[in-house]
Amino acid sequence: EPEVTQTPSHQVTQMGQEVILRCVPISNHLYFYWYRQILGQKVEFLVSFYNNEISEKSEIFDDQFSVERPDGSNFTLKIRSTKLEDSAMYFCASSRIFSGANVLTFGAGSRLTVL
Amino acid sequence: AQTVTQSQPEMSVQEAETVTLSCTYDTSESDYYLFWYKQPPSRQMILVIRQEAYKQQNATENRFSVNFQKAAKSFSLKISDSQLGDAAMYFCAFLPNTGNQFYFGTGTSLTVIP
Repeated sequence: EPEVTQTPSHQVTQMGQEVILRCVPISNHLYFYWYRQILGQKVEFLVSFYNNEISEKSEIFDDQFSVERPDGSNFTLKIRSTKLEDSAMYFCASSRIFSGANVLTFGAGSRLTVL
Repeated sequence: AQTVTQSQPEMSVQEAETVTLSCTYDTSESDYYLFWYKQPPSRQMILVIRQEAYKQQNATENRFSVNFQKAAKSFSLKISDSQLGDAAMYFCAFLPNTGNQFYFGTGTSLTVIP
């Protein structure tokens, strides 16, 4: 069964450093997403991406964050100048269609620890 | 704004028994979808079951079924004949028909006791 693949599974970084989290969505999916979960809190929507541009983003997704699809397979989340509160599990997801019947396929997550 | 509440941080069930996980939500939307996702330890979230709000009939998927009470904004998950492989974090999620942003609850950690 097709999977969404995320790398790295765990990254430790110093505060102020830049981090890039990578995702390989399912090949025939057209919509891509990033969610995050701070330990003990809800899974929160960050951004959705379609046709090489952001289609929706949350208040969390400020200028510190950016997303990119640099080639036909990867979908990346860049976090500039990381802060302690960016420590979280980041989930990538993809879906084939955009509709109310949308079903997301999630990756296993990338755990980011900011020291 | 949409909110999803899972009031049970942890639940346990004996193998082969039945357990019900609770979820309530708040929305002003009339058309939406509700989901239960399962996340085993160190694994990706996978879809367990989905319910369309316009359908009155409760969704079922093998041993998994939901009790959808639209007026009460309640969406509980029942797992029958619990198996060891059911042990995981379970997330309830809401998706308005007008958008593609999922709203999740905080999750319920289910332990299955042999």
